[in-house]
Amino acid sequence: QKEVEQNSGPLSVPEGAIASLNCTYSDRGSQSFFWYRQYSGKSPELIMSIYSNGDKEDGRFTAQLNKASQYVSLLIRDSQPSDSATYLCAVRTSGTYKYIFGTGTRLKVLA
Amino acid sequence: DGGITQSPKYLFRKEGQNVTLSCEQNLNHDAMYWYRQDPGQGLRLIYYSQIVNDFQKGDIAEGYSVSREKKESFPLTVTSAQKNPTAFYLCASSTRGAGGQKTPPDTQYFGPGTRLTVL
Repeated sequence: QKEVEQNSGPLSVPEGAIASLNCTYSDRGSQSFFWYRQYSGKSPELIMSIYSNGDKEDGRFTAQLNKASQYVSLLIRDSQPSDSATYLCAVRTSGTYKYIFGTGTRLKVLA
Repeated sequence: DGGITQSPKYLFRKEGQNVTLSCEQNLNHDAMYWYRQDPGQGLRLIYYSQIVNDFQKGDIAEGYSVSREKKESFPLTVTSAQKNPTAFYLCASSTRGAGGQKTPPDTQYFGPGTRLTVL
């Protein structure tokens, strides 16, 4: 069973701090990695996608991928209370258009 | 506006009743998906379709059925065989190949969801 693992949290950080969210995956052939944000009662919205090893930055968000360690992370700089949500890590499995989701990490940014 | 629509937003089902959830997209995406999300849990794949007239079972297909007669539409029927259907249902779509300059390849986008409750 191909899996994507996340710490369920909650992860609490003070406003203005850096929030670090982590995700590991089991399928070594995975090539596409995504971070989604989901507010309570709403559908997931795409934050970042990353396809190659290294860092990818978009505004306050940085995604980091390490395929050798099968690890992907999301850093949120200058965290705001509006960033409080559940963050889902998703991986597209190799050879298909099937996506595996982690159970999500709940982030709380304290004002 | 391009996007994915789901209807209804809320749906109530009586025991033994079949219900159909609608999903429509105008993003010209080839692939479409149905997920189920239970409180405090991640997304579980019910069915997915990569092209018209073809679909595959996901991890929890029992008690559900789908059709893909048009590229834009991927309705999900929750049958009476699904014993615990109360959940948040999410439809998604993605490209199959390289996306445009502003659209990363194979990114999956979600509709607003349908919340189904069994009475």
